[in-house]
Amino acid sequence: NAGVTQTPKFQVLKTGQSMTLQCAQDMNHEYMSWYRQDPGMGLRLIHYSVGAGITDQGEVPNGYNVSRSTTEDFPLRLLSAAPSQTSVYFCASSPDRYEQYFGPGTRLTVT
Amino acid sequence: AQSVSQHNHHVILSEAASLELGCNYSYGGTVNLFWYVQYPGQHLQLLLKYFSGDPLVKGIKGFEAEFIKSKFSFNLRKPSVQWSDTAEYFCAVTHFKAAGNKLTFGGGTRVLVKP
Repeated sequence: NAGVTQTPKFQVLKTGQSMTLQCAQDMNHEYMSWYRQDPGMGLRLIHYSVGAGITDQGEVPNGYNVSRSTTEDFPLRLLSAAPSQTSVYFCASSPDRYEQYFGPGTRLTVT
Repeated sequence: AQSVSQHNHHVILSEAASLELGCNYSYGGTVNLFWYVQYPGQHLQLLLKYFSGDPLVKGIKGFEAEFIKSKFSFNLRKPSVQWSDTAEYFCAVTHFKAAGNKLTFGGGTRVLVKP
């Protein structure tokens, strides 16, 4: 199993550009989540999904969209990048409501 | 809304010293508690978890944590640290009735172990 994979590893965007961060898992987990990690703030939940076709907002959803058309994939879309979205983004999946497995992260810089 | 506080932002200690990292949470109901570790340049890995039962939980790499319900705390301990324990440590909580898989994380504690 590859576990949770994320692409790209690094990305630089200009303000106003859009992009999609990819996340895939091969463990057949129902639950998937996106977090952003900022210094001193830990990880904050952006969006999550409890299964294909079902998504919901987390703590900091503004400026981000998600969809879950398959169990395996959970892409995160930045609609119009802003410098405040400079962060490290982690995708996670879990087989139940509790334990989560994290991907390697995407480091995003918005200039 | 629930919150998680980690008291120390940075800890520096020498090899063989004992480590204790504090974690307090605000939610009053049934909770599930986790400690994750992030080694330099790597993604988060689960150190240990508490769901129910014995409040003293043993995890990987010699770490343990104690759940004290009356103090809303879940402190992480290791009796003797190694240089390889240099990492950032995150406490996280989800409560029993949380929809989906909403983990609330503390701000993290950076631990530097000097050889």
